[in-house]
Amino acid sequence: AQSVAQPEDQVNVAEGNPLTVKCTYSVSGNPYLFWYVQYPNRGLQFLLKYITGDNLVKGSYGFEAEFNKSQTSFHLKKPSALVSDSALYFCAVIEPPGGYNKLIFGAGTRLAVHP
Amino acid sequence: NAGVMQNPRHLVRRRGQEARLRCSPMKGHSHVYWYRQLPEEGLKFMVYLQKENIIDESGMPKERFSAEFPKEGPSILRIQQVVRGDSAAYFCASSLDRGVEETQYFGPGTRLLVL
Repeated sequence: AQSVAQPEDQVNVAEGNPLTVKCTYSVSGNPYLFWYVQYPNRGLQFLLKYITGDNLVKGSYGFEAEFNKSQTSFHLKKPSALVSDSALYFCAVIEPPGGYNKLIFGAGTRLAVHP
Repeated sequence: NAGVMQNPRHLVRRRGQEARLRCSPMKGHSHVYWYRQLPEEGLKFMVYLQKENIIDESGMPKERFSAEFPKEGPSILRIQQVVRGDSAAYFCASSLDRGVEETQYFGPGTRLLVL
């Protein structure tokens, strides 16, 4: 069965430092991978996705993620964190072809960026 | 450039009542998805619809829950005879096309509280 693991419930980072939010996945085929961010009492905002091609994907607000097939990982990164990046981050996967458009989400990682 | 619209944003129901949640997709989008987020958990897929068709309802509870996306008007998620366990945030997403690589854009959610 497809699954997504976000091993850290919370990540704490000082403003200006680099940040990493970890994600690993388990699918039988080639995955489509996504990152979303959720601010309090808001919906999810799309950050970036990996479909095929270059393993390093650049997205919104300066975020990027690297697809690593051998480690089955898709970690989210940003070179310099902002206090406004504090939010809940979700990694998600779709497993084609049988996965249709069903996003399988991780449990989420809360990012706290301190001034 | 309106995004995905959901209403109401908050809904309070007593046990045994019916809840109707509405979702208007982004302009030009004809694919709608419903997800449920229980407190402190990630989102779980419920159903995927196109206009007048249910494509995948594998995440829908077998009883009391139904969804539709008519030719005209918003998509409706209907919960009959609500119970306290139905209390959650319900998110709708839409996409332009049916390809699994298509980005799903989320609405702000409806927070259902069952008393």
